[in-house]
Amino acid sequence: KAGVTQTPRYLIKTRGQQVTLSCSPISGHRSVSWYQQTPGQGLQFLFEYFSETQRNKGNFPGRFSGRQFSNSRSEMNVSTLELGDSALYLCASSTTISRTDTQYFGPGTRLTVL
Amino acid sequence: DAKTTQPNSMESNEEEPVHLPCNHSTISGTDYIHWYRQLPSQGPEYVIHGLTSNVNNRMASLAIAEDRKSSTLILHRATLRDAAVYYCILRDYTGANNLFFGTGTRLTVIP
Repeated sequence: KAGVTQTPRYLIKTRGQQVTLSCSPISGHRSVSWYQQTPGQGLQFLFEYFSETQRNKGNFPGRFSGRQFSNSRSEMNVSTLELGDSALYLCASSTTISRTDTQYFGPGTRLTVL
Repeated sequence: DAKTTQPNSMESNEEEPVHLPCNHSTISGTDYIHWYRQLPSQGPEYVIHGLTSNVNNRMASLAIAEDRKSSTLILHRATLRDAAVYYCILRDYTGANNLFFGTGTRLTVIP
């Protein structure tokens, strides 16, 4: 079974631009979560989607948004990019939203904001 | 979610056992203890989880203290491939699905 895939793997943008990142979960998985990883803050939860609905959201500004499609694929969007948005963005999928389900992570998208 | 405390770093010689400690003194009765690890340039990967009893799988063993206020991840024979940051995470099975990562323990394996 193919793992979680994220595209693109690397991205360079300038301040003020917007960006869309994509995540394809493992086949059959219906829950997708997004995380941001930076050297200073570590791994932080952004949001979780299940059945095309946002179920949970972390403490990030409204510039960060996401959505999930009927095939469970998910996208996250960051508008008006700031230098501090440079980070590794990780997507994780799980079978359901059960709290004991294992989350499977993709390799991440490395975003650099200049 | 309750917090965990882990040493920032540990070293181990290759092919020797490694014991990675985690303190979670404020653990609640509905918290599962999960371990994930992040290899260099990769996303985190699941290692093991447990509630009250010790657990074993092909990757590692998890020893949970009787009062559940601490746990230890045991790698029976460290390999170079085990060099990673190991995260001990408490997941309340009545709460949100997301994982709260702390700073983790960076494990260095010495050949």
